[in-house]
Amino acid sequence: DGGITQSPKYLFRKEGQNVTLSCEQNLNHDAMYWYRQDPGQGLRLIYYSQIVNDFQKGDIAEGYSVSREKKESFPLTVTSAQKNPTAFYLCASSFQSGGGASNEQFFGPGTLLTVL
Amino acid sequence: AQKVTQAQTEISVVEKEDVTLDCVYETRDTTYYLFWYKQPPSGELVFLIRRNSFDEQNEISGRYSWNFQKSTSSFNFTITASQVVDSAVYFCALRDSNYQLIWGAGTKLIIKP
Repeated sequence: DGGITQSPKYLFRKEGQNVTLSCEQNLNHDAMYWYRQDPGQGLRLIYYSQIVNDFQKGDIAEGYSVSREKKESFPLTVTSAQKNPTAFYLCASSFQSGGGASNEQFFGPGTLLTVL
Repeated sequence: AQKVTQAQTEISVVEKEDVTLDCVYETRDTTYYLFWYKQPPSGELVFLIRRNSFDEQNEISGRYSWNFQKSTSSFNFTITASQVVDSAVYFCALRDSNYQLIWGAGTKLIIKP
């Protein structure tokens, strides 16, 4: 079945440690996205990537880093520089933007990161 | 500036009642897309509908219907004969000229049995 995989569902880390969240998709989508969601809040864009080996900062990129070495994978690293990393992280993918395409985004199940 | 406003933070109704979730947007673009997503307690966002700015026809899908009115910059979502399984957070979003989604803050819908 085609879809987006995020693992693990729950992740605990000690303060000051970097942690990498995985996101894999087999939908053959070109674009991938990372969002952060805080309790009772909407989604905020962290990073996005339209093609392999290229990515752009979103609205809240500080303290995060990403890579896009493969079309299927878009891992997110939450670094120790992120001041308040505890949140729910959602990965999404879509067909490439542009050309009038509506490019609805499809989402993974999310990872709840708790920094102790 | 691009903006999406969902003024209703939380709505609670009894099962079988009809309920409307409001969405008001701001954009200077003449071509844009609007979306609704559902986020059940499990956390994964589920795509419900896409509407482009040139199509103002209302859409109905089972118990769900959407009313798009450019004159009031609104894209409201109605659930008819609500069910407990409809309980979720619902997000409205606008695709801007940079092809990114601008999200509303979401409306938490509680359907009581």
